[in-house]
Amino acid sequence: QKEVEQNSGPLSVPEGAIASLNCTYSDRGSQSFFWYRQYSGKSPELIMSIYSNGDKEDGRFTAQLNKASQYVSLLIRDSQPSDSATYLCAVRWGSGAGSYQLTFGKGTKLSVIP
Amino acid sequence: GAGVSQSPSNKVTEKGKDVELRCDPISGHTALYWYRQSLGQGLEFLIYFQGNSAPDKSGLPSDRFSAERTGGSVSTLTIQRTQQEDSAVYLCASSFQSDNEQFFGPGTRLTVL
Repeated sequence: QKEVEQNSGPLSVPEGAIASLNCTYSDRGSQSFFWYRQYSGKSPELIMSIYSNGDKEDGRFTAQLNKASQYVSLLIRDSQPSDSATYLCAVRWGSGAGSYQLTFGKGTKLSVIP
Repeated sequence: GAGVSQSPSNKVTEKGKDVELRCDPISGHTALYWYRQSLGQGLEFLIYFQGNSAPDKSGLPSDRFSAERTGGSVSTLTIQRTQQEDSAVYLCASSFQSDNEQFFGPGTRLTVL
């Protein structure tokens, strides 16, 4: 059973601080990793994708991937109240038949306190 | 450009009735996915279409669930003889190719009374 684990939170950070969200996955052969943001009552919105070890930065967001440790994280710098949402980690296991769907963690709820 | 669209946005039905949910993917996207999100279960994969290939139905929870995709574009998810445990938000996503990023539609909230 391929699994994606996230701390459900809530994670509370003050405005302007760095929020760190973590995710672990069970299958060492996993190839693609995604972070989605989901506001209450809305659908998931893609914010980052990462495919190789290391860091990937996009504005205030940095995704970090460590395949040896089966660990992916999302850092949000200068957190804003508008960042308050649930963050979903998603993993795509491979590139062959039967492996294109995403497996999601249950999400970490982030609250940025003004 | 236009994103993924889904209809209806909300559907309330009685137990035992059939429902049809519609998804219109982003223009030019060849891959289409259906997921379901329910309280306590998170987001779970249901079915995947890629071009004219046979769909991957491995996530469908029972034979009451079926889906089709006509002309490589619009998809319909059908749930027959709905049960209360079918209540959830049904999300459709599309991607340019199978190994590209997936973008979600706004979802259909299904409530089975």
